[in-house]
Amino acid sequence: AQSVSQHNHHVILSEAASLELGCNYSYGGTVNLFWYVQYPGQHLQLLLKYFSGDPLVKGIKGFEAEFIKSKFSFNLRKPSVQWSDTAEYFCAGRPTSGTYKYIFGTGTRLKVLA
Amino acid sequence: GAGVSQTPSNKVTEKGKYVELRCDPISGHTALYWYRQSLGQGPEFLIYFQGTGAADDSGLPNDRFFAVRPEGSVSTLKIQRTERGDSAVYLCASSSSPNTEAFFGQGTRLTVV
Repeated sequence: AQSVSQHNHHVILSEAASLELGCNYSYGGTVNLFWYVQYPGQHLQLLLKYFSGDPLVKGIKGFEAEFIKSKFSFNLRKPSVQWSDTAEYFCAGRPTSGTYKYIFGTGTRLKVLA
Repeated sequence: GAGVSQTPSNKVTEKGKYVELRCDPISGHTALYWYRQSLGQGPEFLIYFQGTGAADDSGLPNDRFFAVRPEGSVSTLKIQRTERGDSAVYLCASSSSPNTEAFFGQGTRLTVV
């Protein structure tokens, strides 16, 4: 069965600390991978996406993620977080054929202390 | 409009009543998704439309839930005989094609009392 798992449910960091949020996926075939962010009171917004090619993808606001096929992982990173990065982060996968539904992880709630 | 629009933003209904939730996708987007998000959980897939047809409705929890997209644009999610367990935020998303990223609306918060 298709699934996406996020290991960290709550993360608290101080400003300027480095961030890495884990994401693992389980799919039978080729998959596109996404990270979405939900700031307090706002809708889900796309941070970055991986479709093919360079496994290191860069997104908005200094975020990046690396697709490691052998580990079925797509971890999100940021070298130095800011207070404004406080939000909930969702990893999602979508098959490249057949059904195009997104499967989301349970999310990681990040709190950055000023 | 510029983004995906969902109405109403909040809906409170009594147990057993019928509700309709509306989604206006981004203009020209052919793919439309409905998700449900409960507190502390990630979005849970309900149904996906490609054009007017439901390409995948495997996430609808039971036959009380139904969705339509008659003209390939606006979609309505319909819930009959609502139950307290249906309380959640219902999210709609659209994309220009199945192979591009989806854009989400603000959601409709449904509360069944």
